[in-house]
Amino acid sequence: GAVVSQHPSWVICKSGTSVKIECRSLDFQATTMFWYRQFPKQSLMLMATSNEGSKATYEQGVEKDKFLINHASLTLSTLTVTSAHPEDSSFYICSARETGGSYEQYFGPGTRLTVT
Amino acid sequence: AQSVTQPDIHITVSEGASLELRCNYSYGATPYLFWYVQSPGQGLQLLLKYFSGDTLVQGIKGFEAEFKRSQSSFNLRKPSVHWSDAAEYFCAVGSISNFGNEKLTFGTGTRLTIIP
Repeated sequence: GAVVSQHPSWVICKSGTSVKIECRSLDFQATTMFWYRQFPKQSLMLMATSNEGSKATYEQGVEKDKFLINHASLTLSTLTVTSAHPEDSSFYICSARETGGSYEQYFGPGTRLTVT
Repeated sequence: AQSVTQPDIHITVSEGASLELRCNYSYGATPYLFWYVQSPGQGLQLLLKYFSGDTLVQGIKGFEAEFKRSQSSFNLRKPSVHWSDAAEYFCAVGSISNFGNEKLTFGTGTRLTIIP
């Protein structure tokens, strides 16, 4: 149980285009989902927290207009990287917390984004 | 503000040897503590967690961790490692963000290499 999927697992896009990454909780409902960014050989940095049906809350330093998050249902959150640039290349990981759960997050396998 | 320190960037142990990965945290309240493992190119899998109660916590794959409040530590141990344990290990502390959301703050990780 408690499986989180991400799609796509990897994507290459050209500079200036937008990319959408999906995060789904497959066997549970998730009121809250989280988006992280991980640079090579570094830790996970929380980008934003999304709650179903409301606006995402972004961590300090994360551009909300560049990283658009939508959490339209209890099983799906999307991250759209708008006008991507090479510096946006990274490993993006989502996680989900089961509705009514506390702290424990279930992580997706990640999406490798390369912007050329 | 909360923080997590993993002082060992890289550890190498022989297969069958014992393992201890160090984790120190800083948090003003009673911490919720986690250990996650990440295989190359993958998301994170929860090994174990501490919320309250017994300070020695048992996890999956034969791992355990001990919470020591006096030392602000939550070290991960395994009596005998297997080659499949080679991965990146992250310690995390749970806290409440400025927006009232529960969030995880991760350490920088310890890369574990197993030699035959």
